[in-house]
Amino acid sequence: GQQLNQSPQSMFIQEGEDVSMNCTSSSIFNTWLWYKQDPGEGPVLLIALYKAGELTSNGRLTAQFGITRKDSFLNISASIPSDVGIYFCAGQNYGGSQGNLIFGKGTKLSVKP
Amino acid sequence: GAGVSQSPSNKVTEKGKDVELRCDPISGHTALYWYRQSLGQGLEFLIYFQGNSAPDKSGLPSDRFSAERTGGSVSTLTIQRTQQEDSAVYLCASSTGQGAFEQFFGPGTRLTVL
Repeated sequence: GQQLNQSPQSMFIQEGEDVSMNCTSSSIFNTWLWYKQDPGEGPVLLIALYKAGELTSNGRLTAQFGITRKDSFLNISASIPSDVGIYFCAGQNYGGSQGNLIFGKGTKLSVKP
Repeated sequence: GAGVSQSPSNKVTEKGKDVELRCDPISGHTALYWYRQSLGQGLEFLIYFQGNSAPDKSGLPSDRFSAERTGGSVSTLTIQRTQQEDSAVYLCASSTGQGAFEQFFGPGTRLTVL
């Protein structure tokens, strides 16, 4: 089935640093979404992208829908401690209506010791 | 308003027993989804309900898994004859089903099969 490759798997941040993560797919998606999950909670939607090439910001977060429809990145600027958690990209199959999302395996953000 | 709620939050069961997990979607949301999240993994799609249409069951891993949605609202995911590999967090999500793709997730049910 369709799979998403999300990288990096984990990263350590120091407060104030910028963070970047990305997802690639072997096939096309028509929608990309980025979620954040805190321990013991369900994922919370951060940004949704609907058009190839679209660049969308939500506060310190910026995400782009790749022009080929096969990739997306998420940037976090000037990170703060509450940014720690697991970030998931998700795509919806091209031609689908309201069907399921395909999720990456997540990028775990932790604070540098 | 109230978000997606799930119960129980934690469930410990013995291998071979049946379990039922419940999801209350956001009021007015016509689409409801179940996902499974194993430790350190992403979310795996299980089943999707949209209004009165037949559910998309393509993600159910075996015939031990089933789900129903009564009255277009509450959904129950049933796992029969549980196995240890069924241990995971089961997440429910809902969306408006009106051309929107944003899915809103509940907190999940952590299932442990001993």
